[in-house]
Amino acid sequence: KQEVTQIPAALSVPEGENLVLNCSFTDSAIYNLQWFRQDPGKGLTSLLLIQSSQREQTSGRLNASLDKSSGRSTLYIAASQPGDSATYLCAVEGNKLVFGAGTILRVKS
Amino acid sequence: DTAVSQTPKYLVTQMGNDKSIKCEQNLGHDTMYWYKQDSKKFLKIMFSYNNKELIINETVPNRFSPKSPDKAHLNLHINSLELGDSAVYFCASSQWEGGNGAEAFFGQGTRLTVV
Repeated sequence: KQEVTQIPAALSVPEGENLVLNCSFTDSAIYNLQWFRQDPGKGLTSLLLIQSSQREQTSGRLNASLDKSSGRSTLYIAASQPGDSATYLCAVEGNKLVFGAGTILRVKS
Repeated sequence: DTAVSQTPKYLVTQMGNDKSIKCEQNLGHDTMYWYKQDSKKFLKIMFSYNNKELIINETVPNRFSPKSPDKAHLNLHINSLELGDSAVYFCASSQWEGGNGAEAFFGQGTRLTVV
């Protein structure tokens, strides 16, 4: 049974800092890994998708890496801004999409 | 254009009532899902439909009955609502891409409150 763990559960940083969110999963037989953003009371926005054959994906200030063999992914956010404050969710797809519990990020101005 | 849309956005109802949540996607995807996000914000899959056929049913009580009239719609009907059904329900869709799996797109969620 796939289990996804995200560390830390919550993170508060001053504006401008670079930060790393961590995701680990127990079953490496996955097709892909997705990082999502969820704002309070809102839906999920897909940020990055990494195919199982890929090592990383970049979009703007976001960079996500995937080490499938060790069951780990990181989401790197450069030069954080208050608008980055949200919950970040990691999800892996095997025969279904399994989510972690998320990291609540607060960027202070 | 909204890719995955759900209605209603908010739903407050009394215990014992029957209610439905509608979902539509205009992405041309062949697979649609319902997820439940509980009070601890944990997202869990409930159902998955591919081309109108049920492919995943995650031990959801049979008071929950999904219905897919066509591959662009997946509605969720809930009978005899209970307090524990209060949650945010998300609809999603994806298009299977073989060995690469599928990128999932989510709706805005329906916040169901049972009183």
